[in-house]
Amino acid sequence: SQKIEQNSEALNIQEGKTATLTCNYTNYSPAYLQWYRQDPGRGPVFLLLIRENEKEKRKERLKVTFDTTLKQSLFHITASQPADSATYLCALDSIGNSGGSNYKLTFGKGTLLTVNP
Amino acid sequence: NAGVTQTPKFRVLKTGQSMTLLCAQDMNHEYMYWYRQDPGMGLRLIHYSVGEGTTAKGEVPDGYNVSRLKKQNFLLGLESAAPSQTSVYFCASSYSLLSDQPQHFGDGTRLSIL
Repeated sequence: SQKIEQNSEALNIQEGKTATLTCNYTNYSPAYLQWYRQDPGRGPVFLLLIRENEKEKRKERLKVTFDTTLKQSLFHITASQPADSATYLCALDSIGNSGGSNYKLTFGKGTLLTVNP
Repeated sequence: NAGVTQTPKFRVLKTGQSMTLLCAQDMNHEYMYWYRQDPGMGLRLIHYSVGEGTTAKGEVPDGYNVSRLKKQNFLLGLESAAPSQTSVYFCASSYSLLSDQPQHFGDGTRLSIL
């Protein structure tokens, strides 16, 4: 069965360090992978999208990599700040597996990142 | 610039009661979605709509109905609420059905079924 795993439920790092979050998947052939941020009591907010033919994508202090051989995406936040503390979700499409009539964007359970001052 | 607005924000129901959750978006998006989010389960798709008047089942559709009478609105109905439907419900919309487009989420409805 299709499965998405985000490396840990919680990650604590010191301010200024680089946070690295992992998203692994099995039995998927996603064409795209998305990362979202979710703050307590709020809905997810889109951050970055990376395509299967892209190795890396950057946006300000954020960097996402996508390795279709390892079936893994890494999400990096450089020079982390306490304001980066949130839950981060990865999401994969399953349109490549089941066709357009059964579209589904499947979300991982998320990793709670805490950046300590 | 409201984006996606969900009402109500909180609700407590008794088992067997019915209710409708409303989602409104002002981005002229064709596609809209209803998810539920439970601890340890992540976001799961309930139903979605590819345009006015059309809906489709997602991953966990049982016990829910939806309607999309107007392009900007997507309603989620619980005909006979059960404790297992206690959850946080999120509505989202997107420009395209394809996953190269981001989904825009509302801030959720927290629903408790007693």
